[in-house]
Amino acid sequence: KAGVTQTPRYLIKTRGQQVTLSCSPISGHRSVSWYQQTPGQGLQFLFEYFSETQRNKGNFPGRFSGRQFSNSRSEMNVSTLELGDSALYLCASSLDGSIRTDTQYFGPGTRLTVL
Amino acid sequence: AQSVTQLGSHVSVSEGALVLLRCNYSSSVPPYLFWYVQYPNQGLQLLLKYTSAATLVKGINGFEAEFKKSETSFHLTKPSAHMSDAAEYFCAVSDKDGNKLVFGAGTILRVKS
Repeated sequence: KAGVTQTPRYLIKTRGQQVTLSCSPISGHRSVSWYQQTPGQGLQFLFEYFSETQRNKGNFPGRFSGRQFSNSRSEMNVSTLELGDSALYLCASSLDGSIRTDTQYFGPGTRLTVL
Repeated sequence: AQSVTQLGSHVSVSEGALVLLRCNYSSSVPPYLFWYVQYPNQGLQLLLKYTSAATLVKGINGFEAEFKKSETSFHLTKPSAHMSDAAEYFCAVSDKDGNKLVFGAGTILRVKS
């Protein structure tokens, strides 16, 4: 069974631009969560989508948004990029999104560099 | 709020030596605890998780962790380190609603030959 895939793997943008990252979950998984990983702040939860609906949201500004399609693929968008948005963005998929009873499988991440 | 603290941002052991990575948690509800490993340029891989079924949890690659409520700890151990264990390890706890993972800052494990 194919794992979680994220595209692109690497991205370089300049301040003020916007970017869209894509995540394809494991087949049959309906929940996709996004995390940001930076050296200073560590791993932080961005949001979670289930059946095309955002169910949970972390503490990030409105510049960070996402969506999920009917095939469970998810995209996240960051508008008006800032230098501090440089990070590894990880997505994780699971069957139903319950942390306690389900297992989250992480993708390899997209490394975003903002110049 | 739920949180975890990983003691030691870097740990160095010799090949064949015991690996001990420390994690203490804070939780207002019975915790669900996890250890993940991240190899360079890769995502996170689940090593093991504690869901209250047993206090000693065995995971992949010979790792295990023991839940100690009295000490609010969930330390990760492996009897004999291998060069391939060199990676960054993250302890995490489920938030109180079970919706997301709250991660520690991570511990980089270095294995010396």
